[in-house]
Amino acid sequence: EIVLTQSPDTLSLSPGERATLSCRASQSVSSSYLAWYQQKLGQAPSLLIYGTSNRATGIPDRFSGSGSGTDFILTISRLEPEDFAVYYCQQYGSSPPSLTFGGGTKVEIK
Amino acid sequence: EVQLVQSGAEVKKPGESLKISCKSSGYSFTTYWIGWVRQKPGKGLECMGIIYPGDSDTRYSPSFQGQVTISADKSISTAYLQWNSLKASDTAMYYCARVVPATKFSDYWGQGTLVTVSS
Repeated sequence: EIVLTQSPDTLSLSPGERATLSCRASQSVSSSYLAWYQQKLGQAPSLLIYGTSNRATGIPDRFSGSGSGTDFILTISRLEPEDFAVYYCQQYGSSPPSLTFGGGTKVEIK
Repeated sequence: EVQLVQSGAEVKKPGESLKISCKSSGYSFTTYWIGWVRQKPGKGLECMGIIYPGDSDTRYSPSFQGQVTISADKSISTAYLQWNSLKASDTAMYYCARVVPATKFSDYWGQGTLVTVSS
């Protein structure tokens, strides 16, 4: 089973700064199957990015995703107050079929 | 409008059984997977398994195989997550989510069902 490792665990930044979140897979992941989610305190997760780099409906362009193989990045170009949350990457593997999440990165206000 | 509406919070004792639900509307229930995700207090997300209501094809994550049962009733567009004998360690928030067949991301989520297991 593929394991996703996110880093850092916590990112302390100020509004307006750039955030770079990493997601590393234990083996190669299809770019089509890599997604990112945002979870705000007390809420269900919501889809941010799918297929490594495609923004979900309504997601502002300050969010971008990139990567391939085993290394993927979520970038928030300029943090807005509403962006302080926990971010998870997720992948789908077909052998065996499984959906796995990374451990999450908390983006907190510095 | 796509909606996934989950059943309400539950408080149970160890050893009891439980079945929680996730009712879908606003799309064709039989052409998307439904996934169940566990989130223990203060912890991350864990995918428990997914089901394709069209043919009831069900895939469990290894950690949850044999621990829970995922099912669906396509006549009422509802998916279920069931335990036969709850443990205190099952205390968590449980989310259902619609899973896009081709690329397996979850584009719509339920609001979550909090399950508390305590003697």
